[in-house]
Amino acid sequence: SAVISQKPSRDICQRGTSLTIQCQVDSQVTMMFWYRQQPGQSLTLIATANQGSEATYESGFVIDKFPISRPNLTFSTLTVSNLSPEDSSIYLCSVEAQGGETQYFGPGTRLLVL
Amino acid sequence: AQSVTQLGSHVSVSEGALVLLRCNYSSSVPPYLFWYVQYPNQGLQLLLKYTSAATLVKGINGFEAEFKKSETSFHLTKPSAHMSDAAEYFCAVSVGIRTGANNLFFGTGTRLTVIP
Repeated sequence: SAVISQKPSRDICQRGTSLTIQCQVDSQVTMMFWYRQQPGQSLTLIATANQGSEATYESGFVIDKFPISRPNLTFSTLTVSNLSPEDSSIYLCSVEAQGGETQYFGPGTRLLVL
Repeated sequence: AQSVTQLGSHVSVSEGALVLLRCNYSSSVPPYLFWYVQYPNQGLQLLLKYTSAATLVKGINGFEAEFKKSETSFHLTKPSAHMSDAAEYFCAVSVGIRTGANNLFFGTGTRLTVIP
């Protein structure tokens, strides 16, 4: 399995600002994913990031609000823009294991927007 | 379309008792099924997965799950609960390798409480 780290682990932000979350993997992976877990709820896929191409966003998520970068095969960032209290969530990145059927998750970034 | 239903958002068991967490899936093609565990203030850890091999799958920490196609179920069990099993458990389904993203669809989760 891959070892995945995320920075920051948690943050408190003011509304209207932005937060950029970093996801680093210890091996090269093709597919990286970004999920949101709202308080007390399950995980919802925000977008899929494939190196060298634009991220693919799920219904209800747009690039202007959640811009994603994927500069190489071991790193990705998710920015949550123009923050509002409704963006308070845990944001998790995951990677697709070699073989393709399993995803491994990072520890998550806990965001609180005041 | 794929979806997962987890029956029971909260399950309480006594230490040493059987753990049974229920998951039913819906998929138009043969699915891959997963159980993940989330301990407080942590990310998701893969417990076990079914990928069309043996229908009884053994995972970490003594957990196992059985894929029953006729019942579209993938329930998670452990013979004897331990205090350290207290966590949130998520069942997830995907349709395996295909062109583009291999998306996971998660259930709403079941919070397991273990009573001393």
